[in-house]
Order: sequence, then structure tokens, then C-alpha cells
Amino acid sequence: DAGVTQSPTHLIKTRGQQVTLRCSPKSGHDTVSWYQQALGQGPQFIFQYYEEEERQRGNFPDRFSGHQFPNYSSELNVNALLLGDSALYLCASSPGVNYGYTFGSGTRLTVV
Amino acid sequence: DAKTTQPNSMESNEEEPVHLPCNHSTISGTDYIHWYRQLPSQGPEYVIHGLTSNVNNRMASLAIAEDRKSSTLILHRATLRDAAVYYCIRGGSNDYKLSFGAGTTVTVRA
Repeated sequence: DAGVTQSPTHLIKTRGQQVTLRCSPKSGHDTVSWYQQALGQGPQFIFQYYEEEERQRGNFPDRFSGHQFPNYSSELNVNALLLGDSALYLCASSPGVNYGYTFGSGTRLTVV
Repeated sequence: DAKTTQPNSMESNEEEPVHLPCNHSTISGTDYIHWYRQLPSQGPEYVIHGLTSNVNNRMASLAIAEDRKSSTLILHRATLRDAAVYYCIRGGSNDYKLSFGAGTTVTVRA
């Protein structure tokens, strides 16, 4: 049983560009969350999607947006990339509230 | 705002138990206590979670104080694979995010 799958694993972008990261949740999971993890820090919550809608959002600017598809997969889009957006982006899925989340291995984004 | 307090680091010997404390003195009655761990170069991994009663699973045990202001994650026999950063997280019933703090870095000596 595949867990959470994220693509790509690594990505290098230039400042000002836009990027799209993808996530396939674990089978049976309908809730997807995205996190940003800077080097040496704990993950920071970006937002969560459920039933194709953003259910909760963390303290991130509007440059960060997302989408959830009918098959529960999700995308994270970041516009106008800044050097400070360089981080590991993690996707986590869950079958519902108060269940444990399964995390993917992340996408390492480097902005130059 | 992680809302929990953990020691920065702990060391253990292989095959010995590890007790990881967590303080969450401002916890509300509906907040769950979650534990995740993160091995180097990997995403966080779910360990265990609970509300009021002590919880056990194949990975660990979670002992929750009677007043719920603190809890302890217990790894019964540490292995080298248990070396990781362990995060204690409060989760509200209407709060879907996991608020990670700095966690406790666990080192296991062979």
C-alpha cells in the first residue's frame, strides 16, 4: 500500500518564478494538508483541503495557493518565488479529524 | 505557536527505555495530544495520540497525566532506528493543523 506520494522530489527555481508541487494521498484518505519546513525547524502548517475546499489556512501569504481534485490528490502553487521560500514542502493525508496523519517524504525546493 | 514544551535533547542506550516528557499546561478539555517523529531526510511519522487515557500501540506508549497538563512518550526498548526528532503536539477538535515546535532530538547509543 503506497503511502503519500509527492512530486517532484527536488526542484530548483529562479526568484520570481512560479512552482506547482503535487501530492497523492494515501489510499482511503480524503484530507490533505501542506507544510513548509525550513532547515533546522519544525514543519509549519500552510493549509488543509477537504472535499475540494480549503478548510483551514496557516499564516502564509496569498502567494501560496492550493487545490484538491475529486480523487483527493492535491497541488500546492507558489507564485512570485522568494529566496525565503526555499524549504522542504511536505504533504500529509488523513482519513479524518483526530486520526494520525501520514506524511510524504517532501519536495525540496531551492530558489536561486 | 506550538503550545507545548519539550526538552531540546535526550540520550539513551540501545535496548533501554526512553521517556520523553511534554508539558502542555494550557491544554483544553477537547485537545488531543499527538506525537510524531522525524528521521533525518524524511517526513514526519505518526507515533501515537490520545485524549485522556493512556494509549499503547506497536511503536510506543503514551502516558497522560490525570490533570492532562503533561504527558510522556515511552519507547520501551530503544533501537538505533529510533534516533529522531520527536514532536509533541496539541490538537484541538476544531483545529486541523499540527503545530510543530522544535521537538526533542533523541540520540541512541549503541
